[in-house]
Amino acid sequence: AAGVIQSPRHLIKEKRETATLKCYPIPRHDTVYWYQQGPGQDPQFLISFYEKMQSDKGSIPDRFSAQQFSDYHSELNMSSLELGDSALYFCASSRGRPTGELFFGEGSRLTVL
Amino acid sequence: DQQVKQNSPSLSVQEGRISILNCDYTNSMFDYFLWYKKYPAEGPTFLISISSIKDKNEDGRFTVFLNKSAKHLSLHIVPSQPGDSAVYFCAAVANAGGTSYGKLTFGQGTILTVHP
Repeated sequence: AAGVIQSPRHLIKEKRETATLKCYPIPRHDTVYWYQQGPGQDPQFLISFYEKMQSDKGSIPDRFSAQQFSDYHSELNMSSLELGDSALYFCASSRGRPTGELFFGEGSRLTVL
Repeated sequence: DQQVKQNSPSLSVQEGRISILNCDYTNSMFDYFLWYKKYPAEGPTFLISISSIKDKNEDGRFTVFLNKSAKHLSLHIVPSQPGDSAVYFCAAVANAGGTSYGKLTFGQGTILTVHP
């Protein structure tokens, strides 16, 4: 069965650069969520979209922005990268609004040097 | 401020025995709880959940118990199998059924190792 696809899987950037992560949800899933997991930490909720509209916002820095497109894929844009942005970024998707039962992708590992 | 806490970083169990993973929470607004399992280089995978109106939910070898008064939940795996070896995350949702349905607050995770 198709899963959540994230790209790129690995990304290395310098400080102050910009990075874009992409997420392709499971077919017919209309809701996308972004989570950030720092080294040795638990995943932290960043932001979510339902039917291309932002539906909830967590601890997402102002330097980050995200959107969901007409084909339901989502992109997370990160600017003025800092060393502390180095983390594993997970995208998850769901169909409708099930409580908490999300399907996660394998993650995109961002390293900021 | 860690609102969901898994105080045991790791747990080692013999195959066939019971694995008990524990989780405590502090936010009284949490009303839905989940367990996710994570293998290396993979995303978390949903395992089992429980609503705050219940105190037990069972799915095959996995049972989750919720003690609301103690703000504590646990995951029991019986019998444990080597393939169960993974990181287990406890997660909680506040105001489930509202707008924060996908906003999970995770614990730090517990590494479970099941020895053959």
